[in-house]
Amino acid sequence: DQQVKQNSPSLSVQEGRISILNCDYTNSMFDYFLWYKKYPAEGPTFLISISSIKDKNEDGRFTVFLNKSAKHLSLHIVPSQPGDSAVYFCAASNYQGAQKLVFGQGTRLTINP
Amino acid sequence: DAGITQSPRHKVTETGTPVTLRCHQTENHRYMYWYRQDPGHGLRLIHYSYGVKDTDKGEVSDGYSVSRSKTEDFLLTLESATSSQTSVYFCAISEGQGAETQYFGPGTRLLVL
Repeated sequence: DQQVKQNSPSLSVQEGRISILNCDYTNSMFDYFLWYKKYPAEGPTFLISISSIKDKNEDGRFTVFLNKSAKHLSLHIVPSQPGDSAVYFCAASNYQGAQKLVFGQGTRLTINP
Repeated sequence: DAGITQSPRHKVTETGTPVTLRCHQTENHRYMYWYRQDPGHGLRLIHYSYGVKDTDKGEVSDGYSVSRSKTEDFLLTLESATSSQTSVYFCAISEGQGAETQYFGPGTRLLVL
Protein backbone atom coordinates (compact mmCIF):
# COMPACT_ATOMS: atom_id res chain seq x y z
CA ASP A 1 0.00 0.00 0.00
CA GLN A 2 1.92 2.98 -1.32
CA GLN A 3 0.61 5.96 0.65
CA VAL A 4 2.87 8.44 -1.13
CA LYS A 5 3.41 8.09 -4.85
CA GLN A 6 5.67 9.77 -7.35
CA ASN A 7 4.43 8.42 -10.65
CA SER A 8 7.22 9.82 -12.82
CA PRO A 9 10.47 7.89 -12.29
CA SER A 10 12.38 10.42 -14.37
CA LEU A 11 12.09 13.91 -15.81
CA SER A 12 14.32 15.75 -18.26
CA VAL A 13 14.26 19.57 -18.47
CA GLN A 14 16.28 22.13 -20.34
CA GLU A 15 18.46 24.48 -18.33
CA GLY A 16 16.65 27.73 -17.55
CA ARG A 17 13.19 26.24 -17.91
CA ILE A 18 10.77 25.24 -15.14
CA SER A 19 10.95 21.79 -13.57
CA ILE A 20 7.72 20.46 -12.06
CA LEU A 21 7.83 17.35 -9.89
CA ASN A 22 4.60 15.78 -8.72
CA CYS A 23 3.55 13.73 -5.72
CA ASP A 24 0.22 12.18 -4.71
CA TYR A 25 -0.82 10.80 -1.34
CA THR A 26 -3.73 8.72 -0.12
CA ASN A 27 -3.70 9.16 3.67
CA SER A 28 -5.86 12.14 4.66
CA MET A 29 -4.17 12.20 8.09
CA PHE A 30 -0.97 13.54 6.55
CA ASP A 31 -0.58 17.22 7.38
CA TYR A 32 3.07 17.97 6.81
CA PHE A 33 4.94 17.46 3.56
CA LEU A 34 8.59 17.71 2.64
CA TRP A 35 10.81 17.52 -0.41
CA TYR A 36 14.29 16.06 -0.26
CA LYS A 37 17.02 16.12 -2.88
CA LYS A 38 19.53 13.31 -3.17
CA TYR A 39 22.82 13.13 -5.03
CA PRO A 40 24.49 9.75 -5.68
CA ALA A 41 26.40 8.33 -2.70
CA GLU A 42 25.04 11.02 -0.36
CA GLY A 43 22.19 11.21 2.12
CA PRO A 44 18.96 13.02 1.27
CA THR A 45 19.11 16.78 1.84
CA PHE A 46 16.08 18.72 3.02
CA LEU A 47 14.82 21.16 0.40
CA ILE A 48 11.48 22.66 1.38
CA SER A 49 8.36 21.79 3.38
CA ILE A 50 4.73 22.81 3.71
CA SER A 51 2.07 22.26 6.34
CA SER A 52 -1.54 21.54 5.50
CA ILE A 53 -2.66 24.98 6.67
CA LYS A 54 -0.93 26.47 3.65
CA ASP A 55 -1.27 25.87 -0.07
CA LYS A 56 2.05 27.36 -1.15
CA ASN A 57 5.52 27.82 0.26
CA GLU A 58 8.39 29.51 -1.52
CA ASP A 59 12.13 29.48 -0.94
CA GLY A 60 14.21 31.11 -3.62
CA ARG A 61 13.93 29.09 -6.83
CA PHE A 62 11.86 26.41 -5.13
CA THR A 63 8.10 26.53 -4.58
CA VAL A 64 5.91 23.77 -3.21
CA PHE A 65 2.17 23.75 -3.91
CA LEU A 66 -0.32 21.69 -1.91
CA ASN A 67 -3.81 20.78 -3.13
CA LYS A 68 -5.46 19.05 -0.17
CA SER A 69 -8.70 18.23 -1.93
CA ALA A 70 -6.79 16.39 -4.66
CA LYS A 71 -4.20 15.02 -2.21
CA HIS A 72 -1.51 16.30 -4.50
CA LEU A 73 1.63 18.34 -4.09
CA SER A 74 4.16 19.62 -6.56
CA LEU A 75 7.62 21.12 -6.48
CA HIS A 76 8.47 23.87 -8.97
CA ILE A 77 12.07 24.79 -9.68
CA VAL A 78 12.55 28.01 -11.63
CA PRO A 79 14.90 28.48 -13.35
CA SER A 80 16.35 24.98 -13.49
CA GLN A 81 20.12 24.71 -13.21
CA PRO A 82 22.53 21.83 -13.95
CA GLY A 83 23.21 21.43 -10.22
CA ASP A 84 19.53 20.59 -9.74
CA SER A 85 20.11 17.22 -11.44
CA ALA A 86 19.39 14.72 -8.66
CA VAL A 87 16.73 12.37 -7.34
CA TYR A 88 13.87 14.16 -5.59
CA PHE A 89 11.78 12.49 -2.91
CA CYS A 90 8.54 13.78 -1.48
CA ALA A 91 7.64 12.70 2.04
CA ALA A 92 4.63 13.06 4.31
CA SER A 93 3.90 12.83 8.02
CA ASN A 94 1.36 14.00 10.59
CA TYR A 95 1.65 16.15 13.70
CA GLN A 96 0.21 13.44 15.91
CA GLY A 97 2.64 10.72 14.97
CA ALA A 98 6.24 10.31 16.04
CA GLN A 99 7.20 12.21 12.96
CA LYS A 100 7.49 9.04 10.94
CA LEU A 101 8.06 10.07 7.36
CA VAL A 102 6.50 8.14 4.48
CA PHE A 103 8.43 8.60 1.27
CA GLY A 104 7.55 8.41 -2.38
CA GLN A 105 9.65 6.33 -4.77
CA GLY A 106 11.60 9.33 -6.06
CA THR A 107 11.90 11.15 -9.39
CA ARG A 108 15.24 11.48 -11.15
CA LEU A 109 15.54 15.00 -12.55
CA THR A 110 18.06 15.68 -15.30
CA ILE A 111 18.78 19.24 -16.37
CA ASN A 112 20.14 19.44 -19.88
CA PRO A 113 22.39 22.35 -20.96
CA ASP B 1 25.19 20.32 7.78
CA ALA B 2 23.72 18.34 10.64
CA GLY B 3 26.39 16.49 12.62
CA ILE B 4 25.52 12.92 11.68
CA THR B 5 28.02 10.21 10.88
CA GLN B 6 27.44 6.60 9.94
CA SER B 7 29.86 3.71 10.19
CA PRO B 8 30.88 1.74 8.32
CA ARG B 9 30.17 3.51 5.04
CA HIS B 10 30.47 0.28 3.06
CA LYS B 11 30.25 -3.32 4.16
CA VAL B 12 30.23 -6.70 2.44
CA THR B 13 29.14 -9.66 4.52
CA GLU B 14 27.90 -13.20 4.10
CA THR B 15 24.42 -14.58 4.64
CA GLY B 16 23.83 -15.63 8.22
CA THR B 17 26.39 -13.35 9.84
CA PRO B 18 25.42 -10.61 12.32
CA VAL B 19 25.97 -7.00 11.26
CA THR B 20 25.81 -3.80 13.29
CA LEU B 21 25.58 -0.35 11.78
CA ARG B 22 26.26 2.74 13.87
CA CYS B 23 24.78 6.20 13.70
CA HIS B 24 26.37 8.99 15.71
CA GLN B 25 25.02 12.53 16.13
CA THR B 26 26.50 15.63 17.70
CA GLU B 27 23.24 17.66 17.71
CA ASN B 28 21.74 16.25 20.92
CA HIS B 29 18.47 15.61 19.05
CA ARG B 30 15.88 13.49 20.77
CA TYR B 31 14.65 11.47 17.77
CA MET B 32 16.76 9.12 15.65
CA TYR B 33 15.63 6.95 12.77
CA TRP B 34 16.90 4.14 10.54
CA TYR B 35 15.69 3.90 6.94
CA ARG B 36 16.58 1.65 4.05
CA GLN B 37 16.54 2.76 0.45
CA ASP B 38 15.77 0.33 -2.35
CA PRO B 39 14.97 0.92 -6.04
CA GLY B 40 11.26 1.47 -6.59
CA HIS B 41 10.54 1.93 -2.88
CA GLY B 42 12.07 5.23 -1.91
CA LEU B 43 13.09 5.25 1.75
CA ARG B 44 11.29 3.03 4.25
CA LEU B 45 11.43 3.35 8.02
CA ILE B 46 12.95 0.38 9.87
CA HIS B 47 13.02 1.54 13.51
CA TYR B 48 13.11 4.80 15.35
CA SER B 49 14.01 6.07 18.82
CA TYR B 50 12.38 8.85 20.82
CA GLY B 51 14.90 8.81 23.65
CA VAL B 52 17.56 6.73 25.40
CA LYS B 53 16.31 3.15 25.61
CA ASP B 54 13.01 4.18 23.93
CA THR B 55 12.55 2.61 20.53
CA ASP B 56 9.70 1.49 18.29
CA LYS B 57 9.15 -0.35 15.03
CA GLY B 58 8.72 1.16 11.63
CA GLU B 59 7.31 -0.17 8.38
CA VAL B 60 9.97 -2.80 7.63
CA SER B 61 11.32 -3.90 11.02
CA ASP B 62 11.42 -7.71 10.54
CA GLY B 63 14.97 -9.03 10.81
CA TYR B 64 16.29 -5.86 12.46
CA SER B 65 16.84 -4.75 16.03
CA VAL B 66 18.03 -1.43 17.44
CA SER B 67 19.54 -0.06 20.60
CA ARG B 68 20.11 3.39 22.00
CA SER B 69 22.11 3.53 25.23
CA LYS B 70 23.28 7.12 24.73
CA THR B 71 21.59 10.15 23.18
CA GLU B 72 24.24 10.39 20.49
CA ASP B 73 24.35 6.78 19.29
CA PHE B 74 21.73 4.63 17.58
CA LEU B 75 22.72 1.12 16.52
CA LEU B 76 21.00 -1.04 13.91
CA THR B 77 21.66 -4.78 14.09
CA LEU B 78 20.91 -7.46 11.55
CA GLU B 79 20.97 -10.57 13.72
CA SER B 80 21.46 -12.94 10.78
CA ALA B 81 21.91 -11.09 7.50
CA THR B 82 20.00 -12.20 4.41
CA SER B 83 20.42 -11.21 0.77
CA SER B 84 17.12 -9.29 0.95
CA GLN B 85 18.81 -6.94 3.42
CA THR B 86 21.25 -5.76 0.77
CA SER B 87 20.44 -2.08 0.65
CA VAL B 88 21.58 1.42 1.46
CA TYR B 89 20.86 2.34 5.07
CA PHE B 90 20.32 5.91 6.20
CA CYS B 91 20.18 7.31 9.68
CA ALA B 92 18.20 10.48 10.37
CA ILE B 93 17.66 12.78 13.34
CA SER B 94 15.09 15.35 14.41
CA GLU B 95 14.74 17.60 17.43
CA GLY B 96 11.50 16.37 18.88
CA GLN B 97 7.92 15.40 18.40
CA GLY B 98 5.98 17.48 15.96
CA ALA B 99 6.14 18.33 12.31
CA GLU B 100 9.83 18.94 12.12
CA THR B 101 12.40 18.25 9.51
CA GLN B 102 14.54 15.13 9.61
CA TYR B 103 18.20 15.41 8.69
CA PHE B 104 19.99 12.48 7.15
CA GLY B 105 23.41 10.94 7.45
CA PRO B 106 25.58 9.95 4.47
CA GLY B 107 24.41 6.33 4.37
CA THR B 108 25.89 2.85 4.65
CA ARG B 109 25.95 0.60 1.61
CA LEU B 110 25.52 -3.03 2.70
CA LEU B 111 25.97 -6.03 0.43
CA VAL B 112 24.96 -9.45 1.74
CA LEU B 113 26.37 -12.29 -0.36
